[in-house]
Amino acid sequence: QKEVEQDPGPLSVPEGAIVSLNCTYSNSAFQYFMWYRQYSRKGPELLMYTYSSGNKEDGRFTAQVDKSSKYISLFIRDSQPSDSATYLCAMRQGRNEKLTFGTGTRLTIIP
Amino acid sequence: ETGVTQTPRHLVMGMTNKKSLKCEQHLGHNAMYWYKQSAKKPLELMFVYNFKEQTENNSVPSRFSPECPNSSHLFLHLHTLQPEDSALYLCASSQAGLAGGETQYFGPGTRLLVL
Repeated sequence: QKEVEQDPGPLSVPEGAIVSLNCTYSNSAFQYFMWYRQYSRKGPELLMYTYSSGNKEDGRFTAQVDKSSKYISLFIRDSQPSDSATYLCAMRQGRNEKLTFGTGTRLTIIP
Repeated sequence: ETGVTQTPRHLVMGMTNKKSLKCEQHLGHNAMYWYKQSAKKPLELMFVYNFKEQTENNSVPSRFSPECPNSSHLFLHLHTLQPEDSALYLCASSQAGLAGGETQYFGPGTRLLVL
């Protein structure tokens, strides 16, 4: 079993829709959770960063962590074509420990 | 230049060639990383350097040889690679040791093709 599972997609949704991206994980020691966005021919850039369980909102983006279910989500409201990218979830146990990544979900927003 | 830069952006090499990838970070960070990104696979951490000292080598074959001459520069020396080594090689940096400062910032990557 992989430590982090993420549906690779591809996922296509119409512009303006709410997008839900998810990851599950098996290691209950993970405490720090991140979402990275990676545009084609670019490196990943940090989008959201959360510690432990709960929600965090930043503009159109909301990150949710449910440690009891070992499940994290990223919601994108009012999706735009510029949101088309690959979204990678990542997590770590301690603050300075190595990151474990999901495979990434390729998202396309259709105008 | 800002952020993390990588050169070259694209590289094609034969299995007997020797080449080097270069990474430079302009963020004042003290930790640098090499990752390998292959299609449909998670990012694989290869090497970690903290304050120029290698702190992690994730069972990477010896045909990959990292070098960190100072906290701003990181190299990956490549020798007698295999076709399965074709991938996107990403460099990242972070400020280890500070609360919230451990976020990793990635460069654009070098797309490597081994023939």
